[in-house]
Amino acid sequence: LAKTTQPISMDSYEGQEVNITCSHNNIATNDYITWYQQFPSQGPRFIIQGYKTKVTNEVASLFIPADRKSSTLSLPRVSLSDTAVYYCLVGDTLNAGNNRKLIWGLGTSLAVNP
Amino acid sequence: DTAVSQTPKYLVTQMGNDKSIKCEQNLGHDTMYWYKQDSKKFLKIMFSYNNKELIINETVPNRFSPKSPDKAHLNLHINSLELGDSAVYFCASSQVGTQYFGPGTRLTVL
Repeated sequence: LAKTTQPISMDSYEGQEVNITCSHNNIATNDYITWYQQFPSQGPRFIIQGYKTKVTNEVASLFIPADRKSSTLSLPRVSLSDTAVYYCLVGDTLNAGNNRKLIWGLGTSLAVNP
Repeated sequence: DTAVSQTPKYLVTQMGNDKSIKCEQNLGHDTMYWYKQDSKKFLKIMFSYNNKELIINETVPNRFSPKSPDKAHLNLHINSLELGDSAVYFCASSQVGTQYFGPGTRLTVL
């Protein structure tokens, strides 16, 4: 059964780059990798999605090696407001078909310190 | 405009009661979900509907019954509530790729 594994928690300081890695050894051919951010008392919010190599947007980068068995979310120059829980999601998110499996990681609690 | 809304935001009830949580999305999405998040922040998908048709039904007690009257609504009805049902329940919707989550409903069973 597919499974995603990510660190439970991480600590960082303002202005540093933070890299959070998610392992997904059994990723399927049609699966995408998506990262979400969740603040307390709010629903998760989409950060970035990718299939392979590197994806970059205005808030983060996502690095996916050729074998796709892991992925790394990179947050450049974090600030206090980046303190949140970050979830890795693996699944065929582009196809709303029958019995589509979506595998969520357990979340990484990132604490950004002054 | 709120994209995905849930009501109520808080729900406190006694064991054995039956309760419903409502979800509406105004994004025109075809797919909607219900998630349960426990105190340890584990996000567990419960159900997913695509165009009013059930496509994901994870191992969830049959006391939980989703109902989708139309594409924009996915309600969750829970019978015979138990202490272990206490959690935050999130509704979400998606078209392709990105899921948009509601603000959550905090259910407390006493």
